[in-house]
This record gives sequence, structure tokens and C-alpha cells, in this order.
Amino acid sequence: AQKVTQAQTEISVVEKEDVTLDCVYETRDTTYYLFWYKQPPSGELVFLIRRNSFDEQNEISGRYSWNFQKSTSSFNFTITASQVVDSAVYFCALSLTGTASKLTFGTGTRLQVTL
Amino acid sequence: GAVVSQHPSWVICKSGTSVKIECRSLDFQATTMFWYRQFPKQSLMLMATSNEGSKATYEQGVEKDKFLINHASLTLSTLTVTSAHPEDSSFYICSARGGFPDSPLHFGNGTRLTVT
Repeated sequence: AQKVTQAQTEISVVEKEDVTLDCVYETRDTTYYLFWYKQPPSGELVFLIRRNSFDEQNEISGRYSWNFQKSTSSFNFTITASQVVDSAVYFCALSLTGTASKLTFGTGTRLQVTL
Repeated sequence: GAVVSQHPSWVICKSGTSVKIECRSLDFQATTMFWYRQFPKQSLMLMATSNEGSKATYEQGVEKDKFLINHASLTLSTLTVTSAHPEDSSFYICSARGGFPDSPLHFGNGTRLTVT
């Protein structure tokens, strides 16, 4: 069975601070996908990134960056120079290839960015 | 714009009534759609996998007679909560994937169900 752990339940930062959201996963499969989603107060899930298990290259998209380390089964997400609009719940998720994209979600990290 | 449309966004119903939630893929055909449930301040839990033209596959512990899923076309899946009770109050969200193995997964905006 798969498992995704987001140990940080809630994080509060001041605007312009950098913040890293942790994600640790467990799976016996060698092929899998990892995801990050953002859920603002309105409730919809916003797709941020999908990473294939064979691609350990780190990725940067604007203020967002992701660090994938298979050795520690981690897929951490960093927001640089945080903004109030980044306030949301962030979910890390995992799916196995061949299971038609059935996602196992972590419990989420609530990020609060204040002025 | 949204590629998966979910309707309604919110619904309030009386205990004992049934509620239907629609999930539509707007610009792609989805052979598979997924229904999730999210309790307040909790994670999303997969309820069932909806397969076009066949029966849905339910996750362990999900009552298939209570949560009826119909995937009659490649762009529409419906979830009907039958004989709703207050404990069914939750946020229900669907997702759909395009036809290619590498297609991204898109989520609807969710439906907040309140049963009084």
C-alpha cells in the first residue's frame, strides 16, 4: 500500500519569507508519480506539479521549486518570497503507473502567509 | 479555464433526500473519473473510480448502494448520494484524466454538501 506523509500540519510565515513544505512517501513500486496540489479557501484543487519517479531533476517554476530525492523518499516544495496569495492548504500525492491515476493524498499542510 | 466542471458547487438538502452531483470533462474525453470526499480540515479520500460504460469500482468501506455512480458518457460522471444523512455532509470532488497515459489529472471545483 502507498502512503504519503506531510508532517507539518500548519505553517505560518511572514510575507517574503521562504518556506518549505515537506512530503515523504512510501511505495514498493519503482514506477510512480508524485504531485503537489494547492487548495485555496474556495476549495478547488490547483495542480502545481507532477514528477515521474525516474526523473529526479529538481524543478523551478517562478517562486516555486521542488526537490525530489529518491534516497530519502521525499518530494519537498519550497516557496520563495512567499505572498499572502500563497495562503492555502497544500497537498502532496502519489499515484502508481497503471492504476489510472488513482491518487493517494497526504494530510495536507495549511500555509498561512501574513503581512 | 476549467477543464473539469462540477455542479452544483454547493447544495443543502434535508435528511432522507437524494442529491446528484455532476462531473463533466469539458474539452477532453475521460474514460475514467474519480470521486473523492474531503471532511473539514482533512485530506481527500478516494471513494470510487468511475469507468465509462461499466460499473464503478468502490474503495473499501464505501457503500456502493448509498453512493451511486454513473458514467454514461465519455464526458459525464454523476455521483448520487441516496437517502442522505447529516454524516454525509462533506466536500465531494471529482477528477478526470484524458485518454493518454501521460495525460494530467484535472479536478473539478468540488461540491459542498450539507444535509440538515
